[in-house]
Parts: sequence; structure tokens; C-alpha cells
Amino acid sequence: GQNIDQPTEMTATEGAIVQINCTYQTSGFNGLFWYQQHAGEAPTFLSYNVLDGLEEKGRFSSFLSRSKGYSYLLLKELQMKDSASYLCAAPRGNAGNMLTFGGGTRLMVKP
Amino acid sequence: DAGVTQSPTHLIKTRGQHVTLRCSPISGHKSVSWYQQVLGQGPQFIFQYYEKEERGRGNFPDRFSARQFPNYSSELNVNALLLGDSALYLCASSLDRGHYEQYFGPGTRLTVT
Repeated sequence: GQNIDQPTEMTATEGAIVQINCTYQTSGFNGLFWYQQHAGEAPTFLSYNVLDGLEEKGRFSSFLSRSKGYSYLLLKELQMKDSASYLCAAPRGNAGNMLTFGGGTRLMVKP
Repeated sequence: DAGVTQSPTHLIKTRGQHVTLRCSPISGHKSVSWYQQVLGQGPQFIFQYYEKEERGRGNFPDRFSARQFPNYSSELNVNALLLGDSALYLCASSLDRGHYEQYFGPGTRLTVT
């Protein structure tokens, strides 16, 4: 089976840095995804990690440690528009895009 | 280019009724996946269809069924609706079943009373 855990809620200040953690247990490993979802909207793709290490994309970076079953999403220079839910997800078995999602971390950015 | 479209946007049904939700993938995408997202939770995988065949099924009862048409659009059907079926139903499309990039539609908000 698969189990994905992430904190339910986080609060951070505009301009700061926040790290959202995700731990996972999967039968086999085929990468780890991060999605952003604003309230009432569809999830949008942020990152996909297959190899260990940090991948940077502008203000957003994602880290993966396969040996520890651990990933994090790092958001720098927080903006109010970053207030959203951040979803960690892993493929089910060998299927690349049939995903098991964590419960999501609701991030509130305050001025 | 149009993104993934879903209809209807919102729907209210009564317990015991059935519902059909529709999804049109991005042009050229052959794989469609359906997810259920209960308020405050992450999406849960229901089905994936590729080339008109079911390629994956999540842990949902037989009341849930789906199909994919020759133009790659898809329908999700839910029979004998329960209050617990109230959720946002998301459709996602990708080029093929293994391609990691998939794009979600805006969803259909189903309320069962």
C-alpha cells in the first residue's frame, strides 16, 4: 500500500521562506510530485522528483531523499498569492500518473 | 489551446439518484484520470482510461463507473448516490498513461442532499 503524510496547516509571513515536508511509504518508487491548489480551483503541477537532491525552479524548490522516504517543498520570498494548499503525491505502483495524494498542507501567508 | 474542460460546474442531487459527469481532455491527450476530492482532503484516485480502456481503478465501490469515447472524452457515472459522495470531482488528462505531466480540469462540485 501507499501512505503519504504532510502537515495539515502552516502559517508564514510575506517575504519569508517556508518548508513543507512530506513523508511517504510506497511499494516501489516512481517519483514524487508536488501540486499547488488554490481554494476552489484545480491542482496545478509544481515539481516531479525522481532522483535524490534539490531541484530549483524560481522561488520554488523541491527536495527528495529516497532512502528516507522524505521530500520537502521550499518556497522562498513568499507572496500573498502563495496562500494555497500544497499536495504531495506519488504514483500508484508502476503507473506514472495514477497518483496517491497526501491530505495537503494549507499554507496561509500573512502580511 | 483549451485546457481540460468539465461539465457541469456544479450539481445538486438527492440521495439514491445517479449522476453523470463529463470531461474533455486537452487536444491530443489520450489518457484521462478521475479523482474525488472531499473538502479539506487530498484528491483520491478513482479511474484511469487510456485508448478507451480502463487502465487503473482506485478503491471505490461498483456504484462508480466510467468510460472513454473515441474522441478521448470521458464520463464518470455514480449510481445510488450517498451523502458521502458529495465532493469535487476532478478530471486530469495526459498524453499517455505513463507521462508524468497531467493537467487537471476545474472540477465538478457535486452536492448530495
